[in-house]
Amino acid sequence: DAGVIQSPRHEVTEMGQEVTLRCKPISGHDYLFWYRQTMMRGLELLIYFNNNVPIDDSGMPEDRFSAKMPNASFSTLKIQPSEPRDSAVYFCASSLAANYNSPLHFGNGTRLTVT
Amino acid sequence: AQSVSQHNHHVILSEAASLELGCNYSYGGTVNLFWYVQYPGQHLQLLLKYFSGDPLVKGIKGFEAEFIKSKFSFNLRKPSVQWSDTAEYFCAVRSNQAGTALIFGKGTTLSVSS
Repeated sequence: DAGVIQSPRHEVTEMGQEVTLRCKPISGHDYLFWYRQTMMRGLELLIYFNNNVPIDDSGMPEDRFSAKMPNASFSTLKIQPSEPRDSAVYFCASSLAANYNSPLHFGNGTRLTVT
Repeated sequence: AQSVSQHNHHVILSEAASLELGCNYSYGGTVNLFWYVQYPGQHLQLLLKYFSGDPLVKGIKGFEAEFIKSKFSFNLRKPSVQWSDTAEYFCAVRSNQAGTALIFGKGTTLSVSS
């Protein structure tokens, strides 16, 4: 299994630009999570999906952030317009709810820098 | 709402020293508890987890953690650390209802000098 795949690994963009982060969960996993990691706030849950449906998006910081999961094998996190304070590492993770002992499997993250 | 507190932000140890990282959580119901490790430049990996049963759980690389329900704690321990244990350690909690999200603490950076 290739694990959770995120792209790009690094993204540098200017303030005001649109940024799209991508995630491919592990095949067969029915839960997908987006986390943001910063020095100040640690790992924050942004949103998570079950069977492609958003379950809890209360962690999404502002309306500039949106996430979609059009099918079981793909999710995007979009920031429009981006701001310097959005600079962080964004992690995607997936899990299989039916196997309750299954932990979260994390991708390698996308390091976003907004200048 | 669930929350997780990790009291040590940065711990510095010499090799062979013993390690204990504190983790406390707040949640009214039954929880599952986890410790994840993030080595420099890598993604998070599961160290160990507690679901039920023996409150002393053993994980990979010689780590263990003890769940003390009365104290809402799940401290991570290792008797003798190695330089390769230098990493960031995250405690996490979730409700025992299937499919709920993990809530993480802010992490503890462990630096081990050789």
